[in-house]
Amino acid sequence: DGGITQSPKYLFRKEGQNVTLSCEQNLNHDAMYWYRQDPGQGLRLIYYSQIVNDFQKGDIAEGYSVSREKKESFPLTVTSAQKNPTAFYLCASSAPGQAAPQHFGDGTRLSIL
Amino acid sequence: GQQVMQIPQYQHVQEGEDFTTYCNSSTTLSNIQWYKQRPGGHPVFLIQLVKSGEVKKQKRLTFQFGEAKKNSSLHITATQTTDVGTYFCAGSDGNNRLAFGKGNQVVVIP
Repeated sequence: DGGITQSPKYLFRKEGQNVTLSCEQNLNHDAMYWYRQDPGQGLRLIYYSQIVNDFQKGDIAEGYSVSREKKESFPLTVTSAQKNPTAFYLCASSAPGQAAPQHFGDGTRLSIL
Repeated sequence: GQQVMQIPQYQHVQEGEDFTTYCNSSTTLSNIQWYKQRPGGHPVFLIQLVKSGEVKKQKRLTFQFGEAKKNSSLHITATQTTDVGTYFCAGSDGNNRLAFGKGNQVVVIP
């Protein structure tokens, strides 16, 4: 089955640590996205990538970094500079084109110990 | 940046009744999409509207795009317990980014 896999489902981080969230897709989609979801805040865009080796900042990129070395993979690193990292993180992908429908993974819930 | 507002933010709906959720943008949208997120789940794409005044139906769900392409609505008839969840609209103003609204959380009362 084609889809998006995010791992792990739950992640705990100590203060001052960087942590990387995995996102892999086998839908052959060019575009991939990372969102953060907080209660009552909807989905806020962190980073997005429309093609391999290229990515752009979204609305809340501070304290996060990404890479896009392969079409299938778009890992997100939450750095120690992100002061409030506890949230639900969703990865999505879409076909190329003007705001094509997005397919989401199951998400990773990150908590601070 | 582009913003999409949703009202109401929360709804309690009696099973069997109808309800509507609304989405508004201050700028003209090239298209609007609707997603549903079940409790504990991830958003799932429902539909995309592109044309001014467009209306699309999916069984008990009716989606509408305003004539000015600045607003949209989702109307659900004969609500069922399976309709519980958060409904998001997401709009694009012509670039490759979607701006999501904050969602309308729907609770169904049996």
